[in-house]
Amino acid sequence: DTEVTQTPKHLVMGMTNKKSLKCEQHMGHRAMYWYKQKAKKPPELMFVYSYEKLSINESVPSRFSPECPNSSLLNLHLHALQPEDSALYLCASSLGQGAVSEKLFFGSGTQLSVL
Amino acid sequence: SQQGEEDPQALSIQEGENATMNCSYKTSINNLQWYRQNSGRGLVHLILIRSNEREKHSGRLRVTLDTSKKSSSLLITASRAADTASYFCATPNSGGSNYKLTFGKGTLLTVNP
Repeated sequence: DTEVTQTPKHLVMGMTNKKSLKCEQHMGHRAMYWYKQKAKKPPELMFVYSYEKLSINESVPSRFSPECPNSSLLNLHLHALQPEDSALYLCASSLGQGAVSEKLFFGSGTQLSVL
Repeated sequence: SQQGEEDPQALSIQEGENATMNCSYKTSINNLQWYRQNSGRGLVHLILIRSNEREKHSGRLRVTLDTSKKSSSLLITASRAADTASYFCATPNSGGSNYKLTFGKGTLLTVNP
């Protein structure tokens, strides 16, 4: 199984809603990532978990709250988002050895619209 | 800050032609990666080239790396309509974590049947 599965594929939410994005992989990878991608722009790193511990937070606003319940799962909890947070949210995983740059395996993303 | 910058930003060719995309970066790296993204989908890793390698092949892909010029190129030979996608180079954060990859702005390749 070389897949990273993200749910839901599409999400529309109001600015007062609370929602969660989910990501799952069964490749035994120990590093998991959240990226945000606006239309016609490159992906931008948000968070990295290494061995279930948060190792990188790219100064992301607290309305985005990541969680890594176990080595296979990664969540992104969303609360009080703004319309400018509308974007494609991509989850990725990698081996997690950390010694050299890691090859990333990406999910198909969640297209988020904030109204 | 942006590490990799691709050019051209957009490229349109006919099926069967070759496509060349370039990536320039600013600081020393130990490797460089190329990814493909079909419209609205996740990225797919294509190839990783290490700083001590000058050229690497994978099927119809050829990647070169010139560390003296801080540049890399991706050549797709005998292109197909299915190669239509955005192509990004990615480099590790200089002096930082190897988990932090920074993506260039990307080249949008359109292969016309």
